Amino acid sequence: EVQLVESGGGLVQPGGSLRLSCSASGFTFSTYAMHWVRQAPGKGLEYVSAISSNGGTTYYADSVKGRFTISRDNSKNTLYLQMSSLRAEDTAVYYCVKDPGAWGQGILVTVSS
Amino acid sequence: DIQMTQSPSSLSASAGDRVTITCRASQGISNYLAWYQQKPGKVPKLLIYAASTLQSGVPSRFSGSGSGTDFTLTISSLQPEDVATYYCQKYNSAPLTFGQGTRLEIK
Repeated sequence: EVQLVESGGGLVQPGGSLRLSCSASGFTFSTYAMHWVRQAPGKGLEYVSAISSNGGTTYYADSVKGRFTISRDNSKNTLYLQMSSLRAEDTAVYYCVKDPGAWGQGILVTVSS
Repeated sequence: DIQMTQSPSSLSASAGDRVTITCRASQGISNYLAWYQQKPGKVPKLLIYAASTLQSGVPSRFSGSGSGTDFTLTISSLQPEDVATYYCQKYNSAPLTFGQGTRLEIK
């Protein structure tokens, strides 16, 4: 069974940094592209970032480009999202996603002073 | 990037009604289209993938159709438990863009 478990969320001040992790199990992690999706309170789903299976190709939404960095450690079956220069509008539940049928439970990031 | 336009943004219908939600891609995406149902505080639930394939365990009143740029999600007979927000998503290549969502209510 595919399992994706996010961690590292919490409350951070504007301008601060946070690193999200997603621990994957139940599939061969190193062969799949992985994604981050977020949802601000009361808003729709926003696609944030993607990384290819070997980490060589990445994608970022314009809203996070230059501030967020996606990475992965295939030896640890773990996906990361390094978030810096955080803004209030980055407040959201962040989901780790393998494919349409496999989402993590989500982790809340709150950017507030 | 390919944009996904979903309509309507909200919809109110009576129990037993047939409901249709549409999703249009700004460029062709073959059948790489998924539909999700999301209830408040919950993870989005996959209903349909490959435009028309019903995910295991999803009631048969849900169906999807379309290919290329135009897609539809149909609920054949609306049930009270179907109250939720529905999203389409393209997944042929990054970015895996979502539609804006359709909030479905019961009259």
